[in-house]
Amino acid sequence: EDQVTQSPEALRLQEGESSSLNCSYTVSGLRGLFWYRQDPGKGPEFLFTLYSAGEEKEKERLKATLTKKESFLHITAPKPEDSATYLCAGTSGGSYIPTFGRGTSLIVHP
Amino acid sequence: DTAVSQTPKYLVTQMGNDKSIKCEQNLGHDTMYWYKQDSKKFLKIMFSYNNKELIINETVPNRFSPKSPDKAHLNLHINSLELGDSAVYFCASSQDQQRMDEQYFGPGTRLTVT
Repeated sequence: EDQVTQSPEALRLQEGESSSLNCSYTVSGLRGLFWYRQDPGKGPEFLFTLYSAGEEKEKERLKATLTKKESFLHITAPKPEDSATYLCAGTSGGSYIPTFGRGTSLIVHP
Repeated sequence: DTAVSQTPKYLVTQMGNDKSIKCEQNLGHDTMYWYKQDSKKFLKIMFSYNNKELIINETVPNRFSPKSPDKAHLNLHINSLELGDSAVYFCASSQDQQRMDEQYFGPGTRLTVT
């Protein structure tokens, strides 16, 4: 069974304190690994898709990387507006059905 | 201009009732989805339609019946509501099946069954 596990469940940072969120997956024949951001009371917002080990993508203070077993979302010099829940999901090669992790709740204090 | 809209935003009802949630997207996408997010924030896909045809049905009780009158709309009807149906339901769309990774989500409908 495909599984996506995110850690930590919650993370508190001071503004400017860089850190990383982890997403480990056991998805047979991974087709794609993607990251979403979800603000309270809203739907998830697409951030990145990664398709192969070694791939990296960046957007403002966020950078997503992928290895054969896990993905990291690096947050450089975060700001309070980066506070949100970050969701990771994967799809297997034989199916388009995404398996989501439970998310990491990030709070950035000013 | 809302890309994916859902109505209602909140829905409070009693066990045994039947209710519907409506979803519309104005992005011109071919594929639409329904997700359920439980109290632990776990997001799970329920259904997907591509050009009005059902392509994903993830072991959801048959009390849940999606309907897609056209590719811009995907409604969710729930019969005989149960306490365990309480959750936030999200509608989403993507350009097509192959671009399932890049989905645009609606604001969600918080369903509370009492």
